[in-house]
Amino acid sequence: EAGVAQSPRYKIIEKRQSVAFWCNPISGHATLYWYQQILGQGPKLLIQFQNNGVVDDSQLPKDRFSAERLKGVDSTLKIQPAKLEDSAVYLCASSGTGWAQYFGPGTRLLVL
Amino acid sequence: KNQVEQSPQSLIILEGKNCTLQCNYTVSPFSNLRWYKQDTGRGPVSLTIMTFSENTKSNGRYTATLDADTKQSSLHITASQLSDSASYICVVEGNQFYFGTGTSLTVIP
Repeated sequence: EAGVAQSPRYKIIEKRQSVAFWCNPISGHATLYWYQQILGQGPKLLIQFQNNGVVDDSQLPKDRFSAERLKGVDSTLKIQPAKLEDSAVYLCASSGTGWAQYFGPGTRLLVL
Repeated sequence: KNQVEQSPQSLIILEGKNCTLQCNYTVSPFSNLRWYKQDTGRGPVSLTIMTFSENTKSNGRYTATLDADTKQSSLHITASQLSDSASYICVVEGNQFYFGTGTSLTVIP
């Protein structure tokens, strides 16, 4: 089966610019996660969707970050405006009815 | 406070040698514990998942153990290969996922 797809793989922007990331989960997976992984650290959950509803967005900086999964399939994560400390890898993961959580390759963001 | 701590932070071993990575957690309630391998520039890939009642689980040369009483887990890698060079992340699922900061393993020839 195809894995979790993310794009772009890399993005370089200047601070105060906007950026959007896209994720297409494994077909049929109801749960979708966005994580932020800063270099040298473990991933931090930003938001979790169950179909098109938000399950947990407690760690999402809502003043600048937003995410949507309008049709319950693919999802976008937006940062507006970006700050230097947003430089990180943004990982998307999905899970179905089982335990396993499958991660995409990530989008590496560098804010200058 | 729910935390997952891993040790060592980094490890260098010779190809063919064995190694053991440690994970201690304070997460409650506990649902399961997972070990992931993350190659540089890639997303994490699941190695093992263990529930409360499972003490050990193997996946090829990887063997994970879980002591739910002491809240400790280990990941043992047997006969290491160069391709084992990666970060190994311990994740505990309770009410949410709690990630450790990982152990960076480098296998040298």
